[in-house]
Amino acid sequence: KQEVTQIPAALSVPEGENLVLNCSFTDSAIYNLQWFRQDPGKGLTSLLLIQSSQREQTSGRLNASLDKSSGRSTLYIAASQPGDSATYLCALGLGAGKSTFGDGTTLTVKP
Amino acid sequence: EAGVAQSPRYKIIEKRQSVAFWCNPISGHATLYWYQQILGQGPKLLIQFQNNGVVDDSQLPKDRFSAERLKGVDSTLKIQPAKLEDSAVYLCASSLATGDLYEQYFGPGTRLTVT
Repeated sequence: KQEVTQIPAALSVPEGENLVLNCSFTDSAIYNLQWFRQDPGKGLTSLLLIQSSQREQTSGRLNASLDKSSGRSTLYIAASQPGDSATYLCALGLGAGKSTFGDGTTLTVKP
Repeated sequence: EAGVAQSPRYKIIEKRQSVAFWCNPISGHATLYWYQQILGQGPKLLIQFQNNGVVDDSQLPKDRFSAERLKGVDSTLKIQPAKLEDSAVYLCASSLATGDLYEQYFGPGTRLTVT
C-alpha cells in the first residue's frame, strides 16, 4: 500500500525566506505527483502537476521536483510572502485518475 | 470558467440523522470525485464517477453512504444515518476525463458537524 508522508507538519518562516516542503512516498510506481494549496475553509487549488516521466515543473516562484527512485518530491518556494501562508498537500497519481494524499504541511510566513 | 460548486457550505446535524450534499462539476468534465477530509488529514477518496458510472467506490462505507450522478453532470452524496466520526469536510472534485494527464479541480467543500 502506498504511503505518503509530509514532514514537517507545520513550518513558520520570516517573509522573504526561500523554503522547501517535502513529500515522501513508499512505492515508486506512480503516474504523476500533484502539489495543492489549501487555504482555511477552502477547497484545494492545484499548483503544479509533474508527470512520472518528468523531473520538475515550475510556475512563478514555485518549483516542484520529482525523484521516483528515492520516493521524494520537493516544493521549493522562493522569496516567501505572507500570502503564501496555507496548507500544502502532495497527491500521488496511482492510475485511472486515482490519487492518494499526504496530510499536508501548514506554512506560516511572518511579515 | 465557473469552478466546481458545492452546497451547502456548512451543515450541523445530530447523530442518526440523514444529510445530503450536492456538487456541480466544471462544465464538460466527465470525471467526478467525492473526498472526505478529516481535520488535520489529507482528503480520502470515497467514490469516483466517469460520466454517470461508478469507477471506484471501494472506500465508500456503503452501509451508510450513497452517491449518485444520474445524468452524468451533478452529483449528490448522502449519509444515513450519520455517526459522530462522519464529522469532516466533504470535497467534490472534477477532471476533464479519467486519466493521469488530467488535473483535478476542487470545490470549496461542505463542512459537516455531527453532534
